[in-house]
Amino acid sequence: GAVVSQHPSWVICKSGTSVKIECRSLDFQATTMFWYRQFPKQSLMLMATSNEGSKATYEQGVEKDKFLINHASLTLSTLTVTSAHPEDSSFYICSAKNTGALAYGYTFGSGTRLTVV
Amino acid sequence: QKEVEQNSGPLSVPEGAIASLNCTYSDRGSQSFFWYRQYSGKSPELIMFIYSNGDKEDGRFTAQLNKASQYVSLLIRDSQPSDSATYLCAVNRLHQKLVFGQGTRLTINP
Repeated sequence: GAVVSQHPSWVICKSGTSVKIECRSLDFQATTMFWYRQFPKQSLMLMATSNEGSKATYEQGVEKDKFLINHASLTLSTLTVTSAHPEDSSFYICSAKNTGALAYGYTFGSGTRLTVV
Repeated sequence: QKEVEQNSGPLSVPEGAIASLNCTYSDRGSQSFFWYRQYSGKSPELIMFIYSNGDKEDGRFTAQLNKASQYVSLLIRDSQPSDSATYLCAVNRLHQKLVFGQGTRLTINP
């Protein structure tokens, strides 16, 4: 149980275009999802916390107009990187909080490797 | 001071030995403590979580928590080459966002 599906696993886009990444909880309801970014040889950096039906909470320094987060249902959150630039190339990972588990479960998606050319 | 600190390594351990990974945290209100393993190019996978002082064992893995010292560790017994990965320590207050350390790169030498 507690599976989080993330798509696509990798994407290459041209500079200036937008890319949407989906994160789905397959067998549980996730009222809260988290979006992380990870650069090579660095740890995960939390970008934003996404709550179903409400606006996402962004971490300091993360541009909310550039990284659009939508959490329209209890099983789906999306991250859209708008007007992507090469410096946005990174590994993006979502995580869903499984409130049905032992109250401590945070399950990660498989990640999306974004390359902006 | 970083909220969660780990030695970035690399930590090199011979196969069959015990690997010891350490983590300290600054928020005394932290209530849950997690160890994740991350292979290169992959997302983190949960190894263990602990929330009470003392030891918690699961197979070859033992997590140790000392809230007074704000210290959590992970021991890996009978280390295998497949254990070679980056180990991430994460802490949080109940139901709140995870705060990650920078990770320790572990290499198990055959």
